[in-house]
Amino acid sequence: GENVEQHPSTLSVQEGDSAVIKCTYSDSASNYFPWYKQELGKGPQLIIDIRSNVGEKKDQRIAVTLNKTAKHFSLHITETQPEDSAVYFCAAIGGQLTFGSGTQLTVLP
Amino acid sequence: SQTIHQWPATLVQPVGSPLSLECTVEGTSNPNLYWYRQAAGRGLQLLFYSVGIGQISSEVPQNLSASRPQDRQFILSSKKLLLSDSGFYLCAWDATGGTSETQYFGPGTRLLVL
Repeated sequence: GENVEQHPSTLSVQEGDSAVIKCTYSDSASNYFPWYKQELGKGPQLIIDIRSNVGEKKDQRIAVTLNKTAKHFSLHITETQPEDSAVYFCAAIGGQLTFGSGTQLTVLP
Repeated sequence: SQTIHQWPATLVQPVGSPLSLECTVEGTSNPNLYWYRQAAGRGLQLLFYSVGIGQISSEVPQNLSASRPQDRQFILSSKKLLLSDSGFYLCAWDATGGTSETQYFGPGTRLLVL
């Protein structure tokens, strides 16, 4: 089955700086990669996704890149704000959705 | 648009008591439904999933069970809670038969077993 590894497990950045979270996956058949943001006490919310036929996707301050050859994908958040503080999960879908272990992002004011 | 509901939002139960958590989805038909548990604010553990009424697949052996009595209703149950059942329970759905479909999560139920 699919195995998704996510790094780092915790990340602290100063407000205004960029944050990068990286994930690797094992199943070369995986073709869809969503990212979720989970605020404290709430369910994860989809924030951006990328399909295997695309190398990069942007939505305002967030972007995701995908390297199919290396089987890794990354989330980039620019100009971070305190409200970006949350746990972020990557995921990969080959047959079933497999989640990474999560990254606790803290944006320091 | 689709909406997913979970209740209760918070539950405190004594060890050995029964449990029933409910999840309902609106605005879609014949969804796939999922129950996850999240401990310590991290890591989503898939407990059960269902592709249709009465069809339940279990991912891990445990003290819990799931049922799907209606198309858009998913219930998580236990006859006797254990301390280790404490956690944050999340229900999710995705579209049946789709390929590369992401899951959408409910607001969660925080369960504390004392």
